[in-house]
Amino acid sequence: TQLLEQSPQFLSIQEGENLTVYCNSSSVFSSLQWYRQEPGEGPVLLVTVVTGGEVKKLKRLTFQFGDARKDSSLHITAAQTGDTGLYLCAGRGSSNTGKLIFGQGTTLQVKP
Amino acid sequence: NAGVTQTPKFRILKIGQSMTLQCTQDMNHNYMYWYRQDPGMGLKLIYYSVGAGITDKGEVPNGYNVSRSTTEDFPLRLELAAPSQTSVYFCASSPPTGAGYTFGSGTRLTVV
Repeated sequence: TQLLEQSPQFLSIQEGENLTVYCNSSSVFSSLQWYRQEPGEGPVLLVTVVTGGEVKKLKRLTFQFGDARKDSSLHITAAQTGDTGLYLCAGRGSSNTGKLIFGQGTTLQVKP
Repeated sequence: NAGVTQTPKFRILKIGQSMTLQCTQDMNHNYMYWYRQDPGMGLKLIYYSVGAGITDKGEVPNGYNVSRSTTEDFPLRLELAAPSQTSVYFCASSPPTGAGYTFGSGTRLTVV
């Protein structure tokens, strides 16, 4: 069974600080996605990384896929209160069913 | 576009009752999924479908059933509700290209 472990599970920081969320597995994934979820809503896709070693930037968010395609990280620079939410990583295996395996999520609280 | 629409938003069931969670999408996506989300557990796949007439079990299918008679609709049926089925249920859809999921806004179900 493929598993994704996210760390930390909870993060409470002040506005302006930097942070990194990690997503680790012993399994290889064909691609990895990051989602952000706000209370009462479904997750919303932030990014998809496909190639080992790939780095993608989305404004203040930087996503990296590990060289071996087993792990990923999300780095936020100068966090803002609007970044508050639940961040989920999700890996796709080699099957053609589109199924995603989700990590347990990281709850981020950014205080003003 | 409406995207993925789930109804109802909230529901309270008594133990042993049955209900159907509705999910419809207007993006002509072949792939559809049902996940449940419990605190600190991420999203667990219940059932999925790769096209009309084709469904398969996910990680936690016991106590649930699905059907996919059209591309648009993917209802989830709960028979003989149990307290362990108290959760937030999300329906999602995706194209077969490996793109990200589009999620509905969820159904919060409580079984008492």
